[in-house]
Amino acid sequence: GAGVSQSPSNKVTEKGKDVELRCDPISGHTALYWYRQSLGQGLEFLIYFQGNSAPDKSGLPSDRFSAERTGGSVSTLTIQRTQQEDSAVYLCASSLASGGTYEQYFGPGTRLTVT
Amino acid sequence: AQSVSQHNHHVILSEAASLELGCNYSYGGTVNLFWYVQYPGQHLQLLLKYFSGDPLVKGIKGFEAEFIKSKFSFNLRKPSVQWSDTAEYFCAVYWGNTDKLIFGTGTRLQVFP
Repeated sequence: GAGVSQSPSNKVTEKGKDVELRCDPISGHTALYWYRQSLGQGLEFLIYFQGNSAPDKSGLPSDRFSAERTGGSVSTLTIQRTQQEDSAVYLCASSLASGGTYEQYFGPGTRLTVT
Repeated sequence: AQSVSQHNHHVILSEAASLELGCNYSYGGTVNLFWYVQYPGQHLQLLLKYFSGDPLVKGIKGFEAEFIKSKFSFNLRKPSVQWSDTAEYFCAVYWGNTDKLIFGTGTRLQVFP
């Protein structure tokens, strides 16, 4: 079946511009996660959704970052007034439900470059 | 704060060599433990996981990991690596009181024929 998809696959933007990154989870998965992968930094948790609500937003680096999920499906991560330090690969994952007993399935990521 | 440490950042081996990648986590109560792998150009995928029971768990492609509670460790092993094992390996820990998965910084494995 279809896996997690993310768009765009690559995004180059100028410093100060806003960007939107999209994630389509596996159908039927109620939990959705956003991570940021920087060189040598591993995967940094940003936010997760259970359904349409986000119980844990603690990983968002600043108030320039926001995310929403609608219809319990698609999620959008928005970065406002992008900075060069925002350059990274943004990964989305989904699982049947939240909690550590459910495997997370990852998408291919969006590589964001801020110039 | 909960954290996950992978001390080997880059490992280079010849085919047929044995592999052990270290993973340690900070103390924090009940944990579920995972190893994920990212092959070049591919998505992250689950290699193996430990929730409870036998502390030696076996995963795909001949990998295994041992949970040693007293050492807060979950090291990944493979007796004989292949060129196709070249990838980046991530240890991840789920703490039940936080409801999120914390990843280590990853270990890049290169296997030469």
